[in-house]
Amino acid sequence: GQNIDQPTEMTATEGAIVQINCTYQTSGFNGLFWYQQHAGEAPTFLSYNVLDGLEEKGRFSSFLSRSKGYSYLLLKELQMKDSASYLCAVGDGGFKTIFGAGTRLFVKA
Amino acid sequence: GAGVSQSPRYKVTKRGQDVALRCDPISGHVSLYWYRQALGQGPEFLTYFNYEAQQDKSGLPNDRFSAERPEGSISTLTIQRTEQRDSAMYRCASSSQGDREGYEQYFGPGTRLTVT
Repeated sequence: GQNIDQPTEMTATEGAIVQINCTYQTSGFNGLFWYQQHAGEAPTFLSYNVLDGLEEKGRFSSFLSRSKGYSYLLLKELQMKDSASYLCAVGDGGFKTIFGAGTRLFVKA
Repeated sequence: GAGVSQSPRYKVTKRGQDVALRCDPISGHVSLYWYRQALGQGPEFLTYFNYEAQQDKSGLPNDRFSAERPEGSISTLTIQRTEQRDSAMYRCASSSQGDREGYEQYFGPGTRLTVT
């Protein structure tokens, strides 16, 4: 079956670094996405990985290991505005994108 | 430029009625997705269009749900004989290419459907 697992909630302090993990099992694979979703708003794209390794984009980095079915999103220099849900999503090799339930990140002062 | 728009933003309907939800994607985007999102969950894939062709409808829950995109632009998701379990946020997303190329999806604000 298709399954994406990520922690339900995480709490971190402003200015710190947080790592949000995601493991997946899908019938096919054509890339892993991370989206950010603030409460009451639409998801917005953060990153895409299709090859193993680390992709860095400003304060956000995303890592992928296809052999392990594992990814993480790294957020540095946390700001209060980073409080949101972070959605891990996998392209299943066809046209379908499978989303995880999301990780709610709370950033405290 | 304009993003993805959806209408209506809120829809309250009685059980047994039909509803039509509209999605207006970003101009020029060839790929269009429909999702359903429950509170506290990630979007659940319903169907995918490439231009006007519906290339994957495996996520539609049952035959009461249908979608079309006749001219390769605006899309309509129709739910017939609505049931209370259909209550959810329905979102559409568009991208310039399909996920096979890893292009990001731009999500609309969603239609909050409540079936009473």
